[in-house]
Formats: sequence, structure tokens, C-alpha cells
Amino acid sequence: KQEVTQIPAALSVPEGENLVLNCSFTDSAIYNLQWFRQDPGKGLTSLLLIQSSQREQTSGRLNASLDKSSGRSTLYIAASQPGDSATYLCAVSGGATNKLIFGTGTLLAVQP
Amino acid sequence: GAVVSQHPSRVICKSGTSVKIECRSLDFQATTMFWYRQFPKQSLMLMATSNEGSKATYEQGVEKDKFLINHASLTLSTLTVTSAHPEDSSFYICSARSGGDNEIFGPGTRLTVL
Repeated sequence: KQEVTQIPAALSVPEGENLVLNCSFTDSAIYNLQWFRQDPGKGLTSLLLIQSSQREQTSGRLNASLDKSSGRSTLYIAASQPGDSATYLCAVSGGATNKLIFGTGTLLAVQP
Repeated sequence: GAVVSQHPSRVICKSGTSVKIECRSLDFQATTMFWYRQFPKQSLMLMATSNEGSKATYEQGVEKDKFLINHASLTLSTLTVTSAHPEDSSFYICSARSGGDNEIFGPGTRLTVL
């Protein structure tokens, strides 16, 4: 059974810092991995999607990497801003139904 | 871009009543819709997968008679929480897929059962 874990559970950084969020998964037979952002009481916004054959994806100040064999992904946020404060979720899909399995999330607070 | 809406955004009801939540794909046809539940400070847990015109597939531990799902058209799926109890209070999120890789998520519905 696929399990997805995110470390740290919470992170507080001063504005301008670069930071890394970690995601690990137990079954490497995934179809893709996604990083989402969730603001309090809101739905999910997809940030980056990495196909299983890819190593990384970039969008603006965000860079996500994927090491499928070791079951790990990282989300790198450059020059963090207070507006980046949110919960970041990673999710993997795989298997016959391609269902998304979500991690536990990292609550990020960027202090002005 | 593709948008998914949910209605209502929040609902408060008395214990024992039923509540219906709608999930709509606004500018695309969704062959598959998913319903998730998220308890405070926890991640999203998939409840069920619904395909247009067929019965929903429920995840282990989710009572199909309590959480009724209808996917009658390619743009609408509904989740009805029957005989709601306080432990059903949660954040319910739907998502829709049009056949490709991406799931588009709705804004969520906050259910509070008194």
C-alpha cells in the first residue's frame, strides 16, 4: 500500500530565504507526482506535475525534483515571500486506477 | 483554464439531517470525478471515484449508504451525506478529470454538523 510522507510538518522562515520541502513515498511504481498548494479553508492549486520519466519541473521560483528509485521528491522555493505561506501537499498517482495518494502536508509560514 | 466549482461552500446542519454537495466542471466534460474528505490538520483522503453513468467506487472504510454519490452528467456529480452526525463534520473536496492526467480540484465545502 502506497504511503506518502512529508517532512517537515511545519516550517517558518524569514522572507527571502530559499527553502526545500521533502516528500517520500514507499512504492516507486508511480505514474506521476504532483505538488499542490492549499490556502486555509480552500481547495487545491496544482503547482507542478512530474511524470515518472522526468527528473524535475520548474515554474517561476519553484523547482520540483523526482528520484523515483529512492522514492523521494523535493520542492525548492527560491526567494520566499509572505504570499508563499500555505500548506504544500505532494501526491503520487499510480496503479490501475491512477488515484492520487496525498502526503500529510507541510505548513509553511514566511515571515515578513 | 479548466475550473471546478462546488456548492455550497459551507453548510451547517443538525444531526440526523441529509446534506447534498454539488460538484460541477464549468468548461469541460468530466468523465471521472473524485470526492475527498479532509479533517483538520490532516491530508486529503479519497472517499470515492465516480464515473458518469455508472455506480461510484468507494474506498475501503467509506460507507456507500451513508455517502451517496450521483454522477448523472458529464459536468455534475453530487455527494449526499445522509443522516449526518457531528463526526461527519469535515472539509469535502471534489475533483474532476477529463481523461488526461490532471485532476482539477474544486474549492471545497465545509460541513459542520451540530
